[in-house]
Amino acid sequence: KAGVTQTPRYLIKTRGQQVTLSCSPISGHRSVSWYQQTPGQGLQFLFEYFSETQRNKGNFPGRFSGRQFSNSRSEMNVSTLELGDSALYLCASSWTSGSYEQFFGPGTRLTVL
Amino acid sequence: AQSVTQLGSHVSVSEGALVLLRCNYSSSVPPYLFWYVQYPNQGLQLLLKYTSAATLVKGINDFEAEFKKSETSFHLTKPSAHMSDAAEYFCAVSLHNNDMRFGAGTRLTVKP
Repeated sequence: KAGVTQTPRYLIKTRGQQVTLSCSPISGHRSVSWYQQTPGQGLQFLFEYFSETQRNKGNFPGRFSGRQFSNSRSEMNVSTLELGDSALYLCASSWTSGSYEQFFGPGTRLTVL
Repeated sequence: AQSVTQLGSHVSVSEGALVLLRCNYSSSVPPYLFWYVQYPNQGLQLLLKYTSAATLVKGINDFEAEFKKSETSFHLTKPSAHMSDAAEYFCAVSLHNNDMRFGAGTRLTVKP
């Protein structure tokens, strides 16, 4: 069974631009969660999508948004990029919302210049 | 609100020695607890999880952790460290949903 895949793996953007990251969950998994990992703040929960609906949301500004498609694939968008948005963005999938076991992808490393 | 605290941002052990990584949690209700490992430039891999069944949880690669409610702890141990265990380890807590709260991480170094 293929694992969680994230594209692209690396991305370089400049301040003010916007970016879209993609996540394909494990086949059969319907929940996708997104996390931001930085050296200063560690791993922080962004949001979770299940059945194309946002189920939970962390404490991030509205510039961070996401969506989920009918095939459970998810995208995360960050608008008006700031230097502090440079991070590793991790996607995790699980069979259902409220499921206690999440499987993580390799992440997308975003650098904002 | 739930949270976890990992004691020690860096731990160094000799190959073959006991590994002990400490994690304390804060939660108003019985939580789910997890240990994940992250190798450089990779995502997180689940080592083990506590979901209110047995208090001693065995995971992959001979890791285990014990849930102690009286101490609000969930420390990770391994009897004998391998060089391949060098990585960053994260303790995490979840209140039965997918909003998982992670500790700051502990970087484990294994000396030959």
